[in-house]
Amino acid sequence: GAVVSQHPSRVICKSGTSVKIECRSLDFQATTMFWYRQFPKKSLMLMATSNEGSKATYEQGVEKDKFLINHASLTLSTLTVTSAHPEDSSFYICSAREVAGGPWRDTQYFGPGTRLTVL
Amino acid sequence: RKEVEQDPGPFNVPEGATVAFNCTYSNSASQSFFWYRQDCRKEPKLLMSVYSSGNEDGRFTAQLNRASQYISLLIRDSKLSDSATYLCVVNSDAGNMLTFGGGTRLMVKP
Repeated sequence: GAVVSQHPSRVICKSGTSVKIECRSLDFQATTMFWYRQFPKKSLMLMATSNEGSKATYEQGVEKDKFLINHASLTLSTLTVTSAHPEDSSFYICSAREVAGGPWRDTQYFGPGTRLTVL
Repeated sequence: RKEVEQDPGPFNVPEGATVAFNCTYSNSASQSFFWYRQDCRKEPKLLMSVYSSGNEDGRFTAQLNRASQYISLLIRDSKLSDSATYLCVVNSDAGNMLTFGGGTRLMVKP
């Protein structure tokens, strides 16, 4: 299947700093990428939908000014956690949608995730 | 009511056992259904799509019941390596937004 990479895989930062996470589709173009957050022993929660060339769509309760998303190209989306606080510590996972002949047939591939720890 | 509901488990089964998970979804307009597997501290990986006619992939069988709005996953001859969390995932939006169930944890013991 298609490959999606994330960088970094793990980051520890001090409270108040900003952290940028990259999500790349390695062998296909993705007009749409998704950002999820997963707390321990919980399921994935969609944070936002990242659309190449336009603004991201945020889910209810997700602060767009805190979680900045940039989908600069068909293979790269970035999530920046601004002024991170300990409660932002989580597992952040991106996915990229591979177009395959119709929206109901598209497949999403997940990146390996980024574990963020804010001290 | 959650959009996608699963029994969190854990299901503790011996090697070689057959185990089944169910999942219910609330949006009758949902069109695509999947089972993902997630190992501890890893990303979800697609296990199989679920088709209306039901489908089988080796030891895994997925079924869809649209009338009752539930999906099932059957694992036969369980292996130790099947131990993981199984996520029921529903696509209710042509924009491909996936909604995840809470996951069912399976532990296969020797």
